[in-house]
Amino acid sequence: GENVEQHPSTLSVQEGDSAVIKCTYSDSASNYFPWYKQELGKRPQLIIDIRSNVGEKKDQRIAVTLNKTAKHFSLHITETQPEDSAVYFCAAPFKDTGRRALTFGSGTRLQVQP
Amino acid sequence: DSGVTQTPKHLITATGQRVTLRCSPRSGDLSVYWYQQSLDQGLQFLIQYYNGEERAKGNILERFSAQQFPDLHSELNLSSLELGDSALYFCASSVGGNSDNEQFFGPGTRLTVL
Repeated sequence: GENVEQHPSTLSVQEGDSAVIKCTYSDSASNYFPWYKQELGKRPQLIIDIRSNVGEKKDQRIAVTLNKTAKHFSLHITETQPEDSAVYFCAAPFKDTGRRALTFGSGTRLQVQP
Repeated sequence: DSGVTQTPKHLITATGQRVTLRCSPRSGDLSVYWYQQSLDQGLQFLIQYYNGEERAKGNILERFSAQQFPDLHSELNLSSLELGDSALYFCASSVGGNSDNEQFFGPGTRLTVL
């Protein structure tokens, strides 16, 4: 099946620093890569996504980059704030489902220290 | 509020029992996904329904089953419950049936098996 590996599992940064989370995937036909944020006790929410026809996408302090050759994509958060503290999940189309569903990474717990 | 509702919020039951979790998608969404999130674990895709039909199957146990009704709400049935089934169960909905549609998650049902 499709595996999405996510690193690191935990990340602690000082407020104002940048944070980077990386994911690798194995299915070269994957064409859509979303990132979800889950705050403690809450539901996951989409924060940004990228399709395989672009290499980078930005939305204010958040950016996602995609390297199709190396089959990895990364989430970049700049000028981190305490409210960025959450668990972040990457995802990619799940090959075993005909790419109709997503398979999620194991998550990165980001802690932003004030 | 994502517009996706799930009931009940909490469920406590004993091993060997059977429970039913319910999900109502956002208005206009035809697709419903079910996920299992165990303590400190990622989101494990279980099953997807689209407009009443099963569309994709993930790591769903044979003891678990689901369906989507004509009004598009969905139910996840868990039977012969084991301690290891204790988890947070999320449903999500999307407009279309493919993985590149944004998924909107419900608040989850926390299942505790004693």
